[in-house]
Amino acid sequence: DTAVSQTPKYLVTQMGNDKSIKCEQNLGHDTMYWYKQDSKKFLKIMFSYNNKELIINETVPNRFSPKSPDKAHLNLHINSLELGDSAVYFCASSHKGGGGAGELFFGEGSRLTVL
Amino acid sequence: DAKTTQPPSMDCAEGRAANLPCNHSTISGNEYVYWYRQIHSQGPQYIIHGLKNNETNEMASLIITEDRKSSTLILPHATLRDTAVYYCIVRVPQTGANNLFFGTGTRLTVIP
Repeated sequence: DTAVSQTPKYLVTQMGNDKSIKCEQNLGHDTMYWYKQDSKKFLKIMFSYNNKELIINETVPNRFSPKSPDKAHLNLHINSLELGDSAVYFCASSHKGGGGAGELFFGEGSRLTVL
Repeated sequence: DAKTTQPPSMDCAEGRAANLPCNHSTISGNEYVYWYRQIHSQGPQYIIHGLKNNETNEMASLIITEDRKSSTLILPHATLRDTAVYYCIVRVPQTGANNLFFGTGTRLTVIP
């Protein structure tokens, strides 16, 4: 009964293609995130959505378009894939923060390889 | 945006306590200290957080110095499954979203 689930776990594709990664959380959280972990293992925030509304967009190219159909889902669509997009993408969710809260629950990651 | 400094790597013998230090000398009064870890090929996992008092849960203890400029994460009886990269993060919890900045962390290797 996975709390934050991502599909697919592995994705190999050619440069120039368009691909999507899906994320779902069953924790009842209202905030969801996408993080990217590159080959050097740096983990960086890309987007954050709160109740389907975009809150954080960390200077990510507009080839990346997150979509949140409802607060339990945050999908990541990537157009015109480039070699540099190869990375592990992590989805996460949290309660609306405040006080001492702030715990993020992460999915298992989706490893994208662009050839 | 790195507000924390951690040693790049540490070893610990299985069954012993693992003490992972973190310096955050520029921490402000309303910033919390969070610890996460990332086991190989998995998503980061929350461990513990605190503001100024020491904290303990089923996974670990967090000791924060009185001046709050440094902290130590303690895994009381390290097991092989504790081998991971441990991230110390300081952050003011936000009402809208909690963007955590992950630095380079400490790679802890638990040795049999």
